[in-house]
Formats: sequence, C-alpha cells, structure tokens
Amino acid sequence: DGGITQSPKYLFRKEGQNVTLSCEQNLNHDAMYWYRQDPGQGLRLIYYSQIVNDFQKGDIAEGYSVSREKKESFPLTVTSAQKNPTAFYLCASSIGPKNYGYTFGSGTRLTVV
Amino acid sequence: QKEVEQNSGPLSVPEGAIASLNCTYSDRGSQSFFWYRQYSGKSPELIMFIYSNGDKEDGRFTAQLNKASQYVSLLIRDSQPSDSATYLCAVTTGTASKLTFGTGTRLQVTL
Repeated sequence: DGGITQSPKYLFRKEGQNVTLSCEQNLNHDAMYWYRQDPGQGLRLIYYSQIVNDFQKGDIAEGYSVSREKKESFPLTVTSAQKNPTAFYLCASSIGPKNYGYTFGSGTRLTVV
Repeated sequence: QKEVEQNSGPLSVPEGAIASLNCTYSDRGSQSFFWYRQYSGKSPELIMFIYSNGDKEDGRFTAQLNKASQYVSLLIRDSQPSDSATYLCAVTTGTASKLTFGTGTRLQVTL
C-alpha cells in the first residue's frame, strides 16, 4: 500500500541533544513538508521541498535542519538550538498541493526530558 | 490578522443535527481550499476540497466557498458521535506550493 511512514512514533530528547525524525513515502510525490503542531496553534510549517536536493524554510525553521537526497525521504533533524522542541511533528507529501492537498504521515510525538 | 481563521470551539451539536464549521482567509489570491479532520492524537485526513465559488457535496459533507467574502464553510449533515474531532481549514497561498492551516474547530457530537 502506498503511503507515508514516520518513525519513531514517540521520541524523547535530552537537553542539548540532536535528534532526527524519519519520513519516507512511496507515493511518488515530488513535494514533501514538515509541520509542527502545538496545542491551540494549529500546524506551522518548518521546511518544505518541492524537488530532490532542494528545500525551503518555512515559518519556523530556526533550530531545525532537513535534507532531501532521495525523492522518497525527507528527514528532519531537531537540533539543540531548538529551545522548545516538545510538539507533535507531522510529515506530509503532495503530488500538487493546489489541486490535491496533502497526504500526512502518522506523526512523531517529541518530548524533551 | 491571521491568514486563516477558525473559531476554536468546542462546537457542540446533538446527534442527527447539522454541524456548521466556518473559516475565513486573508489572501484574496488563495485558489484552493481544503477541510481536514483530525482525531485526538492522530494525523489530519482530507475530507473535502473546493476550488470554485458555490457548494460541493460529498455524502454527508458539503463545502461552501464564497471568494468575494473570503469565507469557506463545511456542513456535516446527520452528525454522528464518530464525527467528534477537530476540523482544520487549509488554503493554498502564494505560489500555491504549500498549504496554510487554521488552528481548527473542535466539534463535539452529543448523544
């Protein structure tokens, strides 16, 4: 079955530690996105990529980094510079957001311990 | 002013009633409009999209778009307890390469 897989489902980060969230899709979508969701604040865009080897900052990119070396994969690294990383992270992909919207992965819940 | 605004709710409706969810947006150039349903702790799932002014129906769901008023709504007929969720409105903006989301409206369908 085609879809988007995010892993892990739950992740715990210690202070000062970098962690990487995985996002893999087999939908053959060109565009991929990372959003962060906090209670009462909706989804906020972190980074997005419309094609392999290219990506753009979203509204809250500080403290995060991404890579897009393969069409299927768009990992997100939460660096120690991100001071408040506890949130629900959602990866999405699209064949063309204007006409088709997004397909979301199941999410990763990151908690700082 | 937020780009996409929704009343956070909760909106409480009795089972079998019509639930009406509203969304306004600020960018007159927005071209496409989407409604996602999100259950607690889960990821959003697409339930409706609309591009043209007027109504679009799909089963119990009807999306309504009024570009002149910059307003999009979702009607859920014969509401069921399983419809209890947060409903997110999203619009394409700028170069239409990404969606901007509202904060969502929490719907509670009561027995």
